[in-house]
This record gives sequence, structure tokens and C-alpha cells, in this order.
Amino acid sequence: DVKVTQSSRYLVKRTGEKVFLECVQDMDHENMFWYRQDPGLGLRLIYFSYDVKMKEKGDIPEGYSVSREKKERFSLILESASTNQTSMYLCASSTGGTHEQFFGPGTRLTVL
Amino acid sequence: AQTVTQSQPEMSVQEAETVTLSCTYDTSESDYYLFWYKQPPSRQMILVIRQEAYKQQNATENRFSVNFQKAAKSFSLKISDSQLGDAAMYFCAYRSRLGTSGSRLTFGEGTQLTVNP
Repeated sequence: DVKVTQSSRYLVKRTGEKVFLECVQDMDHENMFWYRQDPGLGLRLIYFSYDVKMKEKGDIPEGYSVSREKKERFSLILESASTNQTSMYLCASSTGGTHEQFFGPGTRLTVL
Repeated sequence: AQTVTQSQPEMSVQEAETVTLSCTYDTSESDYYLFWYKQPPSRQMILVIRQEAYKQQNATENRFSVNFQKAAKSFSLKISDSQLGDAAMYFCAYRSRLGTSGSRLTFGEGTQLTVNP
């Protein structure tokens, strides 16, 4: 089975802190994604990557950056966390040949 | 840009009954994929069913089936013989077949389904 793991289930940070969210997949997938999930808004794409060191902005990239140095790992970085970045963050991966995205368990981030 | 709309924030159904969740989308493309994902409480999102736009036949997976109306840009999910384990947030999603963006999904707002015993 495909497994997508995220470094933390719950995270509490202070305003202005630099925050790293890590995602690892074990199925050699080319594509990886970061979404944020907010009530009434569904999932919104922050960034995605279709290859190592390649990235593209999603719909809401402001305030975020990403890093993909290895194929299995995709990191989301909040350079200076703000309270409006309090949310659930979901990572996903997929291959180019299939149509399904596989999701991690999510990280619920609270910024105080 | 494509958009996906789920107009029912919440739905409820009695156990063993049938429920239909609605989804509409907007696109100028003719070839794409549509999905329904399920997110159980405190559990990972999983794929329920997938539809390819070039296929006229509606997809089915056991108790789950879709009503795909391409001209109307409508993609509803029918759950038959509802079970307590079907209680979850359901998301409709769209995927283009074009370019590097072909792998990204656009999600609707979600529908919270409650199953009453």
C-alpha cells in the first residue's frame, strides 16, 4: 500500500516563527502536493512538485514556500507564521500514470 | 480556471437508505477526470470513485455510483444502503488532462454526511 506520512499530527507555533511541515511518501511518486483545508472552503492547493527540485505555485502560495531535494520528501515552509495560517495541512502524492492522489493524515497547525 | 461547487454543506441519511450528494463544475476542457473523495473523522482522505469524461457510462463501485451529466457539468454521488461507516466529509474533485498541471486536483467545498442509526 502507498503510504504518505506527515511529520506531526498537531503543531502549535507562535506568530513570526519559521515553521517546517514535512511529508514523505514511499511509493516513488513523481508528483507531490500541499493543500490547506478550511471549513467551507474545501481543499486549496498551495504548491505542488512534479519532479525533484521542480515546483509550481498553486492557488494560494502567498506566505508559503516549498522544498523538494529528494523524490520522496516534500517540505512546506512558513517563513513567518501568522494567525491566518492556522489550518489543517494535507500532503498528497501521485504518479503520472495513475489518476489517484494518496493523502497523508494531515497536520493541524495552530498559530498563536 | 476550473471551479467545483458542492452546494450541500451537510446531508443526513438513515442507515440502509439512499442518499445523493451533488457536485457541479465549470471547465472549458473536453477531456478530464472527476473524483469523489471521502474523509472520515480523524482519518486519511481516500478515493471513493473516479469518472473519465470521455466515458459515457457512469462509474460504479459497490454501493457507490455516480450520475455524470457532461453537458450539464454535473457529477453527483449516490450512496445506496448507507452504513454508519459512510459518515464522513465527501469532496468532489476535478483533474485536467493537460500539461504538468494535469496532475493537480481542484476540490469543492465538501459535504458533511451524517448517517443516523
